[in-house]
Amino acid sequence: KAGVTQTPRYLIKTRGQQVTLSCSPISGHRSVSWYQQTPGQGLQFLFEYFSETQRNKGNFPGRFSGRQFSNSRSEMNVSTLELGDSALYLCASSLGDSKNIQYFGAGTRLSVL
Amino acid sequence: AQTVTQSQPEMSVQEAETVTLSCTYDTSESDYYLFWYKQPPSRQMILVIRQEAYKQQNATENRFSVNFQKAAKSFSLKISDSQLGDAAMYFCAYRSARSAGGTSYGKLTFGQGTILTVHP
Repeated sequence: KAGVTQTPRYLIKTRGQQVTLSCSPISGHRSVSWYQQTPGQGLQFLFEYFSETQRNKGNFPGRFSGRQFSNSRSEMNVSTLELGDSALYLCASSLGDSKNIQYFGAGTRLSVL
Repeated sequence: AQTVTQSQPEMSVQEAETVTLSCTYDTSESDYYLFWYKQPPSRQMILVIRQEAYKQQNATENRFSVNFQKAAKSFSLKISDSQLGDAAMYFCAYRSARSAGGTSYGKLTFGQGTILTVHP
């Protein structure tokens, strides 16, 4: 069974631009969660999607948004990029029930210049 | 809000020896899950072990075991017979077993991580 796939692996953008990251979950998984990892703040929860609905959201500004498609693939969008958005963005998929284990992708490294 | 604290930024161990990584957490909930994840230089987070709070028995996965002290809110990871491939960043994480007002189980709260170096 294929694992969680994140594309692209690396991105370089400039301030003010917007970016879209993609996450394909493990087949059969309906929940996708997104995390931001930085040296200063560590790993922080962005949001979770389940069956195309956002069911939990972390403490991030509205510039961070996401969506999930009917095939459970998810995208995360960051608009008006700031230097502080430079980070490793990880997504994790799970079945979505109370006993679920989250399986992570290899992440997308975003650099904002 | 829940918090997770890993007080050891770095640890080192000799190959074949045993090392223990510490983790404490703060929560008012009684039902939750605790995890240890490993993140090697490849960046992919890999689940090492999981503990369900309502189970008193400590979880074990091959060379990895935990010491779960619910009253003390402590959750340490012991790695026995350390191998070079164990070198990585280790994260302790907390997840609620239920979410008030909904059924969201997707939020993990992580500690700051411990970098483990294994010396040959």
